[in-house]
Amino acid sequence: DAGITQSPRHKVTETGTPVTLRCHQTENHRYMYWYRQDPGHGLRLIHYSYGVKDTDKGEVSDGYSVSRSKTEDFLLTLESATSSQTSVYFCAISYLAGDAADEQFFGPGTRLTVL
Amino acid sequence: SQKIEQNSEALNIQEGKTATLTCNYTNYSPAYLQWYRQDPGRGPVFLLLIRENEKEKRKERLKVTFDTTLKQSLFHITASQPADSATYLCALVDSNYQLIWGAGTKLIIKP
Repeated sequence: DAGITQSPRHKVTETGTPVTLRCHQTENHRYMYWYRQDPGHGLRLIHYSYGVKDTDKGEVSDGYSVSRSKTEDFLLTLESATSSQTSVYFCAISYLAGDAADEQFFGPGTRLTVL
Repeated sequence: SQKIEQNSEALNIQEGKTATLTCNYTNYSPAYLQWYRQDPGRGPVFLLLIRENEKEKRKERLKVTFDTTLKQSLFHITASQPADSATYLCALVDSNYQLIWGAGTKLIIKP
């Protein structure tokens, strides 16, 4: 978890409210990712970023948006939270892109519950 | 459809024995595959990477094999210890160079 922090670590919210999760890195890595992890499923990619203001959708992007205004910060926003978005959210970073076979470093996760 | 599968049942191994975990995939031709360890309440931690042209990779007590014909990777921990107890995740790179993850196998090493 060194060099990557996520906030908040836990959040309980109600259906229909907006929620923003923050990922902050001190490694100056170019690539950042948001995943969700649910029981019985592997990590699923929500969105990723390949540079400041450069983002793209992942496998499960519906209902989520992201922003990256600085190298060190990658924000994930649920515009109107739904119960299906109850999950553990992980931020990850990598120095190189996927085609360079680089490892990913993960943050500690945010447990989000939508009531 | 494309799938990556790991044994969903926990694997119980006696301390000192070799633990072997399996990762099978269908309808992918990954250039490489990675293995991660995840402890409860924490993010995954990278362990090993193996490329499609490599049959085997070792790191200390860990060994990974990659059989592109069988579409399978095996992850071995030799001389297992209780501290090796964790969930182990495999991830392969897809054609868009994004990682696709298995759901993980929980490994329990009993003293």
